[in-house]
Amino acid sequence: EAGVVQSPRYKIIEKKQPVAFWCNPISGHNTLYWYLQNLGQGPELLIRYENEEAVDDSQLPKDRFSAERLKGVDSTLKIQPAELGDSAVYLCASAWTSSSNEQFFGPGTRLTVL
Amino acid sequence: GENVEQHPSTLSVQEGDSAVIKCTYSDSASNYFPWYKQELGKRPQLIIDIRSNVGEKKDQRIAVTLNKTAKHFSLHITETQPEDSAVYFCAASKADSWGKLQFGAGTQVVVTP
Repeated sequence: EAGVVQSPRYKIIEKKQPVAFWCNPISGHNTLYWYLQNLGQGPELLIRYENEEAVDDSQLPKDRFSAERLKGVDSTLKIQPAELGDSAVYLCASAWTSSSNEQFFGPGTRLTVL
Repeated sequence: GENVEQHPSTLSVQEGDSAVIKCTYSDSASNYFPWYKQELGKRPQLIIDIRSNVGEKKDQRIAVTLNKTAKHFSLHITETQPEDSAVYFCAASKADSWGKLQFGAGTQVVVTP
């Protein structure tokens, strides 16, 4: 089966600019996660979707970050405006359901903010 | 909330030797403990997991042990090979967290020929 797809793989922007990341989960997976991975650290959850509903966004910095999963399939994570400290890898993962423990990760988008 | 600590941060082993990575967790309600392997520039991939009703699980050269009383779990890799070189992450979640994984900081394993 095709894995989780993310684009772009790399993005370089100047601070204060907006940026968006796209994720296409494995077909049939209802649960989608966005993680932030800083260099040398483990992934940290930003937001979790059950179909089109954001059921856990407690760790999403809502002043500058937003996400959507309009039709319960693809998802977009946006940062506006980006700050230097946002430089990191943004990982998307999906699972059949939230009770399906195994999460399948995408390759990530490496963001560099200059 | 849950806090997962992972040690060591780096581990260098000779090919053929064993590698052990240890993680501790803080929330006694955690009941699912996966291990992910992340090669340089690639996605994290699940290599083995264990649930709290099991003390040990083995899959070929890798095994995971869980001590619920002490709240720690370990990854064991035997007969290490160069392709085992990667960053390994432990994680923990609990039944009522709906798949929310708390990851450790990772262990960089280098297997030298």
